[in-house]
Amino acid sequence: EAQVTQNPRYLITVTGKKLTVTCSQNMNHEYMSWYRQDPGLGLRQIYYSMNVEVTDKGDVPEGYKVSRKEKRNFPLILESPSPNQTSLYFCASTYWTGTTGELFFGEGSRLTVL
Amino acid sequence: QKEVEQNSGPLSVPEGAIASLNCTYSDRGSQSFFWYRQYSGKSPELIMFIYSNGDKEDGRFTAQLNKASQYVSLLIRDSQPSDSATYLCAYLAGNQFYFGTGTSLTVIP
Repeated sequence: EAQVTQNPRYLITVTGKKLTVTCSQNMNHEYMSWYRQDPGLGLRQIYYSMNVEVTDKGDVPEGYKVSRKEKRNFPLILESPSPNQTSLYFCASTYWTGTTGELFFGEGSRLTVL
Repeated sequence: QKEVEQNSGPLSVPEGAIASLNCTYSDRGSQSFFWYRQYSGKSPELIMFIYSNGDKEDGRFTAQLNKASQYVSLLIRDSQPSDSATYLCAYLAGNQFYFGTGTSLTVIP
């Protein structure tokens, strides 16, 4: 089954404690990306990756890091989480054509930073 | 500043009616436009994409794009209670996707 898998789905942590949200896709997609979804602000892109070892900042990259060492995996790293990073996070992948691309989303990871 | 504006709603229509969702965007370099549906507590899923001016139809859904007016819309014909969800407008510019805040639609049986 084609899917994007995120873990953990739910996480409560404390300020400053490093955490990683994993994302894996089994569709051999080149393009992967991370979003956060907040009430009234919609989905905002954090980082994206066009392919292995190629990553770029989205609209809200501050406080986040990513890596793309393998095509299937694109983890999101919060080195020192703060309460303003409490949000619902989605990972997505797409077969990239340059002009179109259906985003396949993971189920989401709800993060609370106390 | 790249922006996508949507009426947050909520929009309520009776079952069987036409639901009309609208979206304006600020970036004239936008290449492709998308409508995603998001049920409460779930992840977004693609309904339609359109990249040429005019209409594109898929079953009960019709997307309309007017690049000169920077306007894209989604019509849902014969609305069903299962269409009740939040609809996200999005566009692709360069290598980035930009999303609106979504319009909440409720179809009343």
